[in-house]
Amino acid sequence: EAGVAQSPRYKIIEKRQSVAFWCNPISGHATLYWYQQILGQGPKLLIQFQNNGVVDDSQLPKDRFSAERLKGVDSTLKIQPAKLEDSAVYLCASTGRNEQFFGPGTRLTVL
Amino acid sequence: GEDVEQSLFLSVREGDSSVINCTYTDSSSTYLYWYKQEPGAGLQLLTYIFSNMDMKQDQRLTVLLNKKDKHLSLRIADTQTGDSAIYFCAVVTSGTYKYIFGTGTRLKVLA
Repeated sequence: EAGVAQSPRYKIIEKRQSVAFWCNPISGHATLYWYQQILGQGPKLLIQFQNNGVVDDSQLPKDRFSAERLKGVDSTLKIQPAKLEDSAVYLCASTGRNEQFFGPGTRLTVL
Repeated sequence: GEDVEQSLFLSVREGDSSVINCTYTDSSSTYLYWYKQEPGAGLQLLTYIFSNMDMKQDQRLTVLLNKKDKHLSLRIADTQTGDSAIYFCAVVTSGTYKYIFGTGTRLKVLA
């Protein structure tokens, strides 16, 4: 069974630029999550999708972050414009049968 | 809101047992998880326990749950240098599929 795929693995941008991350969950998993993990901390939920609907986006900074889940499968997370404090690892995860599986993450550095 | 606490560091000698502890606040948590994160990687699901269980054993891993004290522990028997990583505890409340993560415990195994 293929795992959760994410791309790119690394991204370096300057502040005020835009960036987008892509996630392909495990086939058949209805629930998809985007997390932000700052160095030394646990993952913090940004947004949770059930199929193509948003379940929870209460911690998503909506003035600069946006996310969509196309046709209930792939998802993209966008930051526009980026700030220095957005430097983190962005993790995508999907859930099936009470088990949540993570992708390898995208490490974002904002200069 | 829900809070999950872990100690930050643990150091053990190779061959000894490691015990990583976690406390949580939401008594309605239904599934409790342990994840392992190695440098530069996403989170790897190690094991999980349902709230109506006291103990679960999976090869070298033993999970103990004390619901009264809202305390979860992960015991790793015969700890190896490859077990050096950050270990995260996570809890899920029934019906939400929202995972709340602790800050992680960095396990260092000394040869």
